[in-house]
Amino acid sequence: AQSVTQLDSHVSVSEGTPVLLRCNYSSSYSPSLFWYVQHPNKGLQLLLKYTSAATLVKGINGFEAEFKKSETSFHLTKPSAHMSDAAEYFCVVSDLDFGNEKLTFGTGTRLTIIP
Amino acid sequence: DADVTQTPRNRITKTGKRIMLECSQTKGHDRMYWYRQDPGLGLQLIYYSFDVKDINKGEISDGYSVSRQAQAKFSLSLESAIPNQTALYFCATRSGGSNEQFFGPGTRLTVL
Repeated sequence: AQSVTQLDSHVSVSEGTPVLLRCNYSSSYSPSLFWYVQHPNKGLQLLLKYTSAATLVKGINGFEAEFKKSETSFHLTKPSAHMSDAAEYFCVVSDLDFGNEKLTFGTGTRLTIIP
Repeated sequence: DADVTQTPRNRITKTGKRIMLECSQTKGHDRMYWYRQDPGLGLQLIYYSFDVKDINKGEISDGYSVSRQAQAKFSLSLESAIPNQTALYFCATRSGGSNEQFFGPGTRLTVL
């Protein structure tokens, strides 16, 4: 069975400082991993995805994540936070098996940016 | 125009009423999904469909039913709504050749 743990339910950073949102996963197979962002009253938007290619994945809006198999982690980072980054972020795991339709979502991390 | 649309965007109803939430997509994807999101939780899968003739239960299907009227349309029904079905509902689509899902904007449902 697959599972996802987002280690922080709420993260606050000052504008212009680095962002780190932590995610650990467990999976029986070679997983695909995703980060989605949800702005208030909006749907989920894909930030980036890992699908067994390069372990450092670059996404939109300056975000990136590194897949570390030994640590079963897929942390999301950004060098410099912007006010527009304030949102809810979800780490998602999918076993790399197209017959398995289940995405498993983390419980989310709310990112607050302090002016 | 958005690739995945949901109607209505907001709905308030009473216990015992029948409610239908609709989802349409213009991405040409064959696979469609319904999820619900509760505060402080991730998304949970209600139903999914591989094509018009293929409907599958997700992890929390009790109290819900679905209809895949066409490749582009996938509706979620609550036959007799109850207050603990108050949640944010998302529709999503996926191409069979990819594991990336595309989400609609969500429907906020309140059952009084």
